[in-house]
Formats: sequence, C-alpha cells, structure tokens
Amino acid sequence: RKEVEQDPGPFNVPEGATVAFNCTYSNSASQSFFWYRQDCRKEPKLLMSVYSSGNEDGRFTAQLNRASQYISLLIRDSKLSDSATYLCVVRVRRNDMRFGAGTRLTVKP
Amino acid sequence: EADIYQTPRYLVIGTGKKITLECSQTMGHDKMYWYQQDPGMELHLIHYSYGVNSTEKGDLSSESTVSRIRTEHFPLTLESARPSHTSQYLCASSRTRTSDEQFFGPGTRLTVL
Repeated sequence: RKEVEQDPGPFNVPEGATVAFNCTYSNSASQSFFWYRQDCRKEPKLLMSVYSSGNEDGRFTAQLNRASQYISLLIRDSKLSDSATYLCVVRVRRNDMRFGAGTRLTVKP
Repeated sequence: EADIYQTPRYLVIGTGKKITLECSQTMGHDKMYWYQQDPGMELHLIHYSYGVNSTEKGDLSSESTVSRIRTEHFPLTLESARPSHTSQYLCASSRTRTSDEQFFGPGTRLTVL
C-alpha cells in the first residue's frame, strides 16, 4: 500500500464547477500536510498547507481529519487556469516528505 | 518566483556515459533535495542535504551520487548512465530544517538510450 494515496482522476469539470479531491495517508505519525500544484511538464509549487482546523485561501479550502488519516481539497468556482495535477504531500518525519501521485484536473469552457 | 535553476533541461545520452545534473539556488537555503519522477507517478526522494558537506540518501535506492561543497550548488552525478535511469529529475530547496515549503527547479528530463 502506498503511503499517500490519491484518486488519479482525471477530473473533467466545466468552468464554475465545484470539485473535491481526497487523499489518504498511512502513517499516523505524519506531522504536516500540504497540497502542491503541478502543471503539465512543470515543477510542483506549494498551493497551501493544511491545518487541523481547516483553512481557506480564496476559492480553495483544505481539510484534515487526523482520526481518519484523510485530507481534502475543495475548489469552488473552478477556472480554466485551475487545470493541473494536484499533489497531496505529507511530512512523516522532519526530513521525510511523501508525495502522492497526484489527481489530474481539467476545467473546460 | 523561486530562484532555483537546473541544467540541462533536457538530456539524451547513450548508455555508459557519465553525466552530471546541475542544480543551483540563490535563496541561501540550507536544505536541498533531489527527486525522481516518472510520468504520472509520485515524486521519490533520492538525495538530500542539510548544508555544506552534508549529504544523505533518500528513500528510493539510486545509483547516483551528490555533493554539497557550496550552499547554493547541489549537483547529481551518474557514473554510468543506463536506460533504467530515464526519468525526470527535480531539484528542490527549503529555508531551514523546520521550514516545510519546498521550492522546485524546472527539472531535467533525462533519456538514456
């Protein structure tokens, strides 16, 4: 079983749609959680950290459920520019970041 | 924009050649990393460094080696390239040991024939 699992998608949604991505992690000692965005053939970039209380950044909302070892990302009012692969990232130990394989999103006009 | 650079961006090379992938950052970051990523797959950590003269192997077994003689420079070397080394190699850095955000370079896409 992979340490970080994501639905690979692809998710094909129309502009304006709300889309949710899920991620599960296997190590209960995981300490920090993140969503990164990776455009096609580009490097990953931090989208947002995920806090226990949940956090929001504009149209993006991240949630963490430690009991279920589950992280989510919600994108509201999706834009064409949101098309990318979204990587769930978990820090297990101080030096150990584990990346999910990513969920691909395509937003269509 | 993060100031982290990788060269070459693309490399096609024959089996048995020695290659060095360059990575430099101008942000003064202590920690640097090398990841390997195949298409549609997750990133795997192959090497990391806490600072000058510090290098460690990551969780993915790799035949490559790294060095950290200067803070800003973290090159990765393959002594004898093989087709199984064909992949995308991503370099990253972060500010301190406790800083979680990693800034990635644009990557080197390596093809070994």
